[in-house]
Amino acid sequence: KQEVTQIPAALSVPEGENLVLNCSFTDSAIYNLQWFRQDPGKGLTSLLLIQSSQREQTSGRLNASLDKSSGRSTLYIAASQPGDSATYLCAVLGQAGTALIFGKGTTLSVSS
Amino acid sequence: NAGVMQNPRHLVRRRGQEARLRCSPMKGHSHVYWYRQLPEEGLKFMVYLQKENIIDESGMPKERFSAEFPKEGPSILRIQQVVRGDSAAYFCASSPPKAGGLYEQYFGPGTRLTVT
Repeated sequence: KQEVTQIPAALSVPEGENLVLNCSFTDSAIYNLQWFRQDPGKGLTSLLLIQSSQREQTSGRLNASLDKSSGRSTLYIAASQPGDSATYLCAVLGQAGTALIFGKGTTLSVSS
Repeated sequence: NAGVMQNPRHLVRRRGQEARLRCSPMKGHSHVYWYRQLPEEGLKFMVYLQKENIIDESGMPKERFSAEFPKEGPSILRIQQVVRGDSAAYFCASSPPKAGGLYEQYFGPGTRLTVT
């Protein structure tokens, strides 16, 4: 059974810092991995999707890497800003292509 | 292109009543997924539907919960005889047809159900 773990559960940093969020999964037989952002009381915004054959994806200040063999992904946020404060969720899609399995998220707080 | 639409955004029901949550997928998307986010827990998959078919309902509670995606109209998640433990945020996602696609799921804003 696939399990997704995100570390740390919460993170507080001053504005301008570069930071890394970690995601690990127990079954390497995945189709893809997505990183989402969730603001309090809101829905999910997809940030990056990495196919199982890819190693990384970049969008603006965000870079996500995938090491499928070790069951790990990282989300790198460069030059953090207060507007980045949110909960970041990692989710993997199994090869059946149906259910996303989510981690519990990392809640990020960036202070100005 | 409008995103995934869910309504209502907030729903309050008394114990024993029925709750109906609606989801309209993005234009061109034929696959719908329902997820539930309980307080202090992660999102959990409930059910995956295509038009007029339930493909995977492995995450659905065995009783009181049902889902449909008719040929016309939105997908409906129905909860009969709600209990306080059903209070949660329910999210719908949609994706385009699978063949050759990225299987990326796009999420709606959610319906927050409160059972009093």
